[in-house]
Amino acid sequence: LAKTTQPISMDSYEGQEVNITCSHNNIATNDYITWYQQFPSQGPRFIIQGYKTKVTNEVASLFIPADRKSSTLSLPRVSLSDTAVYYCLVGPHTGRRALTFGSGTRLQVQP
Amino acid sequence: DGGITQSPKYLFRKEGQNVTLSCEQNLNHDAMYWYRQDPGQGLRLIYYSQIVNDFQKGDIAEGYSVSREKKESFPLTVTSAQKNPTAFYLCASSNGAVQETQYFGPGTRLLVL
Repeated sequence: LAKTTQPISMDSYEGQEVNITCSHNNIATNDYITWYQQFPSQGPRFIIQGYKTKVTNEVASLFIPADRKSSTLSLPRVSLSDTAVYYCLVGPHTGRRALTFGSGTRLQVQP
Repeated sequence: DGGITQSPKYLFRKEGQNVTLSCEQNLNHDAMYWYRQDPGQGLRLIYYSQIVNDFQKGDIAEGYSVSREKKESFPLTVTSAQKNPTAFYLCASSNGAVQETQYFGPGTRLLVL
């Protein structure tokens, strides 16, 4: 399984764009990159998933360079409600297999 | 509404007691998972099941047991052999035939008396 490395914590202010980078140097050819969000005392929630280049949905954007050894989750104009832990996961997108959650990045948004 | 339910929300265990955490899903997912989360930490995999009547140990299976007799149910038993059971327990499911998006339940917080 590809190992991921993320910053332990980040701080931001309301209205700013936040970029959280995840390093995954040994990503395999059939691995996808997935990001989850977790609020305190709740289960993680899927945010976005991608394989290469750029993916955008109503919540976030995911940027993946050509070598795929890293990825960046971009949250536009964050609000206080975006304060949460964000997890980067790497794994194949087919097959029933458990994923490995690291410690994630704790994002604190200030007013 | 489709989703995953876990019960109870809080559970208290006495010394030497086995307790069972419930997890039910109506998403028609084949795969189900149990994770443990300690304060300020990430999720660690306890057990997972890819199909009915089959399950595999995760990274921290010692002191836990599971069963998967029905597709929609994956109960976790915390046995007396688990010496430090106080944690937040999360159940998840996924449709393994497509992308590995996991859907999580609301969690059960287990406390030792």
